Amino acid sequence: DAGVIQSPRHEVTEMGQEVTLRCKPISGHNSLFWYRQTMMRGLELLIYFNNNVPIDDSGMPEDRFSAKMPNASFSTLKIQPSEPRDSAVYFCASSFGSSAPEKLFFGSGTQLSVL
Amino acid sequence: DAKTTQPNSMESNEEEPVHLPCNHSTISGTDYIHWYRQLPSQGPEYVIHGLTSNVNNRMASLAIAEDRKSSTLILHRATLRDAAVYYCILRVFVSSGSARQLTFGSGTQLTVLP
Repeated sequence: DAGVIQSPRHEVTEMGQEVTLRCKPISGHNSLFWYRQTMMRGLELLIYFNNNVPIDDSGMPEDRFSAKMPNASFSTLKIQPSEPRDSAVYFCASSFGSSAPEKLFFGSGTQLSVL
Repeated sequence: DAKTTQPNSMESNEEEPVHLPCNHSTISGTDYIHWYRQLPSQGPEYVIHGLTSNVNNRMASLAIAEDRKSSTLILHRATLRDAAVYYCILRVFVSSGSARQLTFGSGTQLTVLP
């Protein structure tokens, strides 16, 4: 299995531009998580999907952030418009199971730099 | 939400055992204790988890206090490749009937000295 696949690995953009981060979870997994990591705040959960349905988006910073999961094998995290404070590493993770405990498998992350 | 407390950093010599502590005094009866680690420039990686009993796997051992208010991750023989940030995490229910999220704290930066 290729694991959780994220693209792009690196993204450099200018303030105000739209950014789309992509994630392909492990085949057969039914939960998907988006995390953001910065030096100041560490790893923060942004949103979590179960069976393609958003369950908890309380960690999404503001309306500029949106996430979709149109099918079991693909998810996107969009930032529009982007701001310098959005610069971070964004991780996608997936897991299988509906009850505890389940292991999360993380992708390699997308390093986002907003200039 | 129940929180965890870990030392910011620890050092170990190569090929010696390492004991990484974690305090979780407000843990609830149904919270599982998870450990993940993050190697440089990589996403977090699952290490081990447990509920009440001590657990062993090929990567590490998890010792859980009888009152469950603390736990210790044990690496039996540290190698240079074990240098990472180690996170102790409690599984948190998001809402009734739905599953859970893993909330990461600041973790312990483990340095392994040759």
